[in-house]
Amino acid sequence: SQKIEQNSEALNIQEGKTATLTCNYTNYSPAYLQWYRQDPGRGPVFLLLIRENEKEKRKERLKVTFDTTLKQSLFHITASQPADSATYLCALMNSGYSTLTFGKGTMLLVSP
Amino acid sequence: NAGVMQNPRHLVRRRGQEARLRCSPMKGHSHVYWYRQLPEEGLKFMVYLQKENIIDESGMPKERFSAEFPKEGPSILRIQQVVRGDSAAYFCASSPRADGNTEAFFGQGTRLTVV
Repeated sequence: SQKIEQNSEALNIQEGKTATLTCNYTNYSPAYLQWYRQDPGRGPVFLLLIRENEKEKRKERLKVTFDTTLKQSLFHITASQPADSATYLCALMNSGYSTLTFGKGTMLLVSP
Repeated sequence: NAGVMQNPRHLVRRRGQEARLRCSPMKGHSHVYWYRQLPEEGLKFMVYLQKENIIDESGMPKERFSAEFPKEGPSILRIQQVVRGDSAAYFCASSPRADGNTEAFFGQGTRLTVV
């Protein structure tokens, strides 16, 4: 069956460190992979998108990698800040489809 | 350009009543998606609509749930004869194109509580 797995346990890190979040998938052939941020009581907000033929994408303090052989994406936040504390969701869209499928998300807690 | 607008933000219904959730997509967006989120669960896709058409309703329960996106006006997710298990946050998203090469813009959600 198809699965998108993100760490269910919260990730606790100290301000200034790099946070690394993992998204693994099985039985998907995603043409695109997206990362979203969700704060409590609010809708998800788009962060980054990476295509299947791209290995890495950067945007300010954010970096996403995409390894279609390992079926894994890593999401990095460098120089993390308490304001980065939120739940981060990865989402896939298979080739030929028009809908995003989301993982359950990983909560990130950055302490000062 | 206002974002995706959902209303109401909170909705309380008694078992057996109907719930109507509204979603106005961003201006210029003709693709609308509805998702449901339960506590400690991820976003579950329900239905994808493009003006006046249901494109994919594979995530929608077969009974009691329906969705529409009329030519004029917001998209509506309708739940008839609600049960306690329908209590969840319902999110609507819109996009200008139907491919993964563009971001989805989400509303703030409607939190449905069935008592």
